[in-house]
Amino acid sequence: NAGVMQNPRHLVRRRGQEARLRCSPMKGHSHVYWYRQLPEEGLKFMVYLQKENIIDESGMPKERFSAEFPKEGPSILRIQQVVRGDSAAYFCASSPGQLVGQYFGPGTRLTVT
Amino acid sequence: DQQVKQNSPSLSVQEGRISILNCDYTNSMFDYFLWYKKYPAEGPTFLISISSIKDKNEDGRFTVFLNKSAKHLSLHIVPSQPGDSAVYFCAASAGTTDSWGKFQFGAGTQVVVTP
Repeated sequence: NAGVMQNPRHLVRRRGQEARLRCSPMKGHSHVYWYRQLPEEGLKFMVYLQKENIIDESGMPKERFSAEFPKEGPSILRIQQVVRGDSAAYFCASSPGQLVGQYFGPGTRLTVT
Repeated sequence: DQQVKQNSPSLSVQEGRISILNCDYTNSMFDYFLWYKKYPAEGPTFLISISSIKDKNEDGRFTVFLNKSAKHLSLHIVPSQPGDSAVYFCAASAGTTDSWGKFQFGAGTQVVVTP
């Protein structure tokens, strides 16, 4: 049973470009979470999705960031018009339901030049 | 606004001894807590959880203690092993008032287990 997969592992974008981060949850998991980790900080919650629905996006910046988890395919975190401050490690996690531990992917390290 | 705090950025412990990691929180609505371990270049790995109806949960070498009145939890690892050297994150959720998926994380504690 493969774990949570994220790709790409490293992504370099110039300011103003778009970044698309992909997350394939563990088999059987319908809950997906995105977190961001800035240097020297802990993980910050961004968004919680359950197949085709956004459950909680209270941690997501209002502008430029969006997330989806379609019925088929991976969850996508999309960042439009990236800025230097978006440089961070983005982690995706999945779980089979609520009130259980979340299983994390290896992360995508985004660098904005 | 950091609602989950791990005030010790690092901890060094001898192999075989007990590691005690501390975590404090400010939001009294938090009712579910997790501990994660993270190696470099990998995602966090779930270790152990505790809900607010309990004050202790044990799983092998790992025990988590919750003191709700003090808004404090701790993770005990005994005996510590070299493979335990990692960053440990404490996370909390206010599931009954917020969404269960929204976990607030502490900044982490780097544990180094020495021979």
